[in-house]
Amino acid sequence: DGGITQSPKYLFRKEGQNVTLSCEQNLNHDAMYWYRQDPGQGLRLIYYSQIVNDFQKGDIAEGYSVSREKKESFPLTVTSAQKNPTAFYLCASSIGFSSNQPQHFGDGTRLSIL
Amino acid sequence: EDQVTQSPEALRLQEGESSSLNCSYTVSGLRGLFWYRQDPGKGPEFLFTLYSAGEEKEKERLKATLTKKESFLHITAPKPEDSATYLCAVHYTGTASKLTFGTGTRLQVTL
Repeated sequence: DGGITQSPKYLFRKEGQNVTLSCEQNLNHDAMYWYRQDPGQGLRLIYYSQIVNDFQKGDIAEGYSVSREKKESFPLTVTSAQKNPTAFYLCASSIGFSSNQPQHFGDGTRLSIL
Repeated sequence: EDQVTQSPEALRLQEGESSSLNCSYTVSGLRGLFWYRQDPGKGPEFLFTLYSAGEEKEKERLKATLTKKESFLHITAPKPEDSATYLCAVHYTGTASKLTFGTGTRLQVTL
């Protein structure tokens, strides 16, 4: 079945540590996105990628980094510069960035601080 | 400031008790409004896209409608398995494919 796989489901970060969240899709979608979800707030866009080897900052990119070396993969690194990393992180993809097609989501990674 | 507001924040219904969830928006140049369902600990699941005022979409017990200022998600004769958080998001002119999400309505349907 086609879909978006995020791993791990739960992740713990120590002080000063960088951690990487994985996102893989087999939908053959060009565009991919990373969101952060906090209680009582709407999903907020961290980074997005329209095509391989290209990515753009979203609304809350500080303290995060991404890469897009393959069409199917869009990993997110939460760096030590992100002072409040505890949240639910969601990866999404869509057919194209300029199209008005819906985004489809993975099942998320919950990141906590040790 | 462009905004998406969902109401109520939480709604408790008895099985079979129909109701509506609201998503109001103040964005200019709406290109699409999306409804999602999110179960606890899971990612949002796509339900509907609405593109223009007057449009309606249906799926099982759910019906989504759109006006120039808001969208409603009508739930007819809900069942306990309809319990979830329902999110709406808008795509508007000048933002490419970026979505602006509301904070969601938590729906609980009891027996």
